[in-house]
Amino acid sequence: DAGVIQSPRHEVTEMGQEVTLRCKPISGHDYLFWYRQTMMRGLELLIYFNNNVPIDDSGMPEDRFSAKMPNASFSTLKIQPSEPRDSAVYFCASSSWREDTGELFFGEGSRLTVL
Amino acid sequence: KQEVTQIPAALSVPEGENLVLNCSFTDSAIYNLQWFRQDPGKGLTSLLLIQSSQREQTSGRLNASLDKSSGRSTLYIAASQPGDSATYLCAVEYGNKLVFGAGTILRVKS
Repeated sequence: DAGVIQSPRHEVTEMGQEVTLRCKPISGHDYLFWYRQTMMRGLELLIYFNNNVPIDDSGMPEDRFSAKMPNASFSTLKIQPSEPRDSAVYFCASSSWREDTGELFFGEGSRLTVL
Repeated sequence: KQEVTQIPAALSVPEGENLVLNCSFTDSAIYNLQWFRQDPGKGLTSLLLIQSSQREQTSGRLNASLDKSSGRSTLYIAASQPGDSATYLCAVEYGNKLVFGAGTILRVKS
């Protein structure tokens, strides 16, 4: 398997624009997580899904953030409208509780810069 | 509140030294604990996972221990190499949610 795949790797946009980040989890994994990493706050869990269903979105900072998982192989994180304070690296991660011990596998991240 | 603390925040050692990274957590009702490595501009790579019922895990030159009762874990790196330079993060799992420490930035000098 190619691992967790995220796109785009880098995104530079202007304040107010819509941003969509994409993630393809490892095939067979039934959990998908979205994290945000900043220097100030470290790694923060935004939301996670189990079997495509959102389980806990308490980490989503504002209504401007939304996430979907229409099928087992694809998820999106959308920010609309974006603000400069949203600038961060957004990571997607997946794991499987059926097949192993729940080890978490991360994508390479999407670095977002909002001007 | 579930918090994870890593000490030291940064560490610089000469090549060949053995070193220990520390992780402490406030809530001992953990499911498991993972150590990750992050290289600059990259994602996180899982190094070791210790289940709550386990005391330690080993992989090559790495050994991680877990003491739930005291809320501590250590990552031991033997015979450090310049390629070990990276940020090491400890993450504690509570009911499907991982809580991360801020990480230890390790530099191994050749």
